[in-house]
Amino acid sequence: EIVMTQSPATLSVSPGERATLSCRASQSVRSNLAWYQQKPGQAPRLLIYDASTRATGIPARFSGSGSGTEFTLTISSLQSEDFAVYSCQQYNNWPYTFGQGTKLEIK
Amino acid sequence: QVQLVESGGGLVKPGGSLRLSCAASGFTFSDSYMSWIRQSPGKGLECVSYITPSGSAINYADSVRGRFTLSRDNAKNSLYLQMNSLRAEDTAVYYCVRGHSHIHYWGQGTLVTVSS
Repeated sequence: EIVMTQSPATLSVSPGERATLSCRASQSVRSNLAWYQQKPGQAPRLLIYDASTRATGIPARFSGSGSGTEFTLTISSLQSEDFAVYSCQQYNNWPYTFGQGTKLEIK
Repeated sequence: QVQLVESGGGLVKPGGSLRLSCAASGFTFSDSYMSWIRQSPGKGLECVSYITPSGSAINYADSVRGRFTLSRDNAKNSLYLQMNSLRAEDTAVYYCVRGHSHIHYWGQGTLVTVSS
């Protein structure tokens, strides 16, 4: 099973600033990586798939990069609605696995 | 619009059984891979099982293989998860989702609690 490790566990950032979240896979997942946003009491929302493709309706301030084992989600200018938990997921090998999440909180 | 509505969750004793259902609408169900993903405080998000559009192939996570059975009824636009021999570690919110890789569409989830 591929283990996905996210860092940091918690990230404190001020509105308007840039946030950079990391995700590492225990073996190569090529570009088969997705990022999700989740708010309390809600299902996850797909932000990015295939490592860098924004899902429908996702603002351009969200961008993804990386391939192989190292991936990054960048939020260029944080809005109030962006404070949430972000999780990465690999879908290169079954079982598809998620990271434990990064909580993005207001500084 | 795509709608996925889960039902069947609840409180069950260890060793017991539950059957989750998912009613799908707003898309061509019979053309779609479908999956169940669960989320627990301890283990986070976990892909439990997925099924191909025709139902000819099903895959399970090792943690549930042999205990859970995934099925679908394309005539009823419905997905089912039969869960037997439930354990405390199966306690989670279970989401019905469309697809099996990256997931665009999620249900609202149904809570399964396994406790004596």
